[in-house]
Amino acid sequence: EAQVTQNPRYLITVTGKKLTVTCSQNMNHEYMSWYRQDPGLGLRQIYYSMNVEVTDKGDVPEGYKVSRKEKRNFPLILESPSPNQTSLYFCASSFGQSNSPLHFGNGTRLTVT
Amino acid sequence: GQNIDQPTEMTATEGAIVQINCTYQTSGFNGLFWYQQHAGEAPTFLSYNVLDGLEEKGRFSSFLSRSKGYSYLLLKELQMKDSASYLCAPMDSNYQLIWGAGTKLIIKP
Repeated sequence: EAQVTQNPRYLITVTGKKLTVTCSQNMNHEYMSWYRQDPGLGLRQIYYSMNVEVTDKGDVPEGYKVSRKEKRNFPLILESPSPNQTSLYFCASSFGQSNSPLHFGNGTRLTVT
Repeated sequence: GQNIDQPTEMTATEGAIVQINCTYQTSGFNGLFWYQQHAGEAPTFLSYNVLDGLEEKGRFSSFLSRSKGYSYLLLKELQMKDSASYLCAPMDSNYQLIWGAGTKLIIKP
């Protein structure tokens, strides 16, 4: 089944404790992206990657890191999480062409206390 | 700047028709997507328009007017499962999607 898999689905952590949210897709997509979604706001892009070893900042990259060492994986790293990073996070992928829709993972609900 | 404007919330009756409007301002334009998002779930793709006109796909249709910076999503024969948020997302000249906050659609029996 074609899918984007994110883990974990739920995560509660404390300020400053490094964490990684994994994302993997099995559709051979070139393009991958991370978004956060907060109440009343649209999806905000954190980082994106057009292909292996190519990553770029989105609209809200501060406090996050990513890597794209393999085509299928695009982990999101929070080196020192803070309470303002409490949010719902989505990973998404596509073929990267203008008419290619994004396929989203099921989301990770992160709470930082 | 780049901007999306959609109504925050709409209410409609089961079996009826509803039109969700979206106006946008982007730096360049490479098409517009509509996604459906049920509460707490991932967005799912509904439609893509790049040329002016109406695209029909079952109960859902999407319209685009590039000159007016305007699109709408038309949902017919509404069902309770259509209760969700609907996200309008035009693509700018850098092929980046610009996301609105979405329209929460409430369907009443």
